[in-house]
Amino acid sequence: GESVGLHLPTLSVQEGDNSIINCAYSNSASDYFIWYKQESGKGPQFIIDIRSNMDKRQGQRVTVLLNKTVKHLSLQIAATQPGDSAVYFCAETMNTGFQKLVFGTGTRLLVSP
Amino acid sequence: DAGVTQSPTHLIKTRGQQVTLRCSPKSGHDTVSWYQQALGQGPQFIFQYYEEEERQRGNFPDRFSGHQFPNYSSELNVNALLLGDSALYLCASSPQTLNYGYTFGSGTRLTVV
Repeated sequence: GESVGLHLPTLSVQEGDNSIINCAYSNSASDYFIWYKQESGKGPQFIIDIRSNMDKRQGQRVTVLLNKTVKHLSLQIAATQPGDSAVYFCAETMNTGFQKLVFGTGTRLLVSP
Repeated sequence: DAGVTQSPTHLIKTRGQQVTLRCSPKSGHDTVSWYQQALGQGPQFIFQYYEEEERQRGNFPDRFSGHQFPNYSSELNVNALLLGDSALYLCASSPQTLNYGYTFGSGTRLTVV
């Protein structure tokens, strides 16, 4: 399938640390990327997005970096809080017409108080 | 303003049976997409509906079918259920055909026994 993730990587951090979650995307034609947070028993929740004509975008406590040369995305969370504990997915798509989201593997973030 | 509503939240079915899952999109959204999320994996695109027609389909067999109604709500039907169909089924809505603005529901947890 397009989303492979039999083994979910885990990132464990302490409250207050900065977290960096990485993602490799698959399609060089993708021009729109989204990070989602998914808590147990819930659907994915939008965090931040970035278009391919940008290499960095900042939100509240979050920053997304895009490196098109190596097809890599990262999500940086500043001053991580216990409420940030969840599974994080990157998704790629082409922002034209009837397109689908292709999700990455996912990373579980565990934040200790 | 209600977001995306899915029903039921949980469902247990027997192999070979048929199931229908329902989705009401966020107010103002007219495009509905369905995703399947197996345990520990990222969501995989099933299909997308706009103006009551299937516009895009992922790599899923014909046992998976759908429908969109004039009020933009949607159903996902799965026939001849297999154990491997056990998953969280997510509905996402968006305005028109734009990929940004995707909003996910909390999903229906389907267990096939």
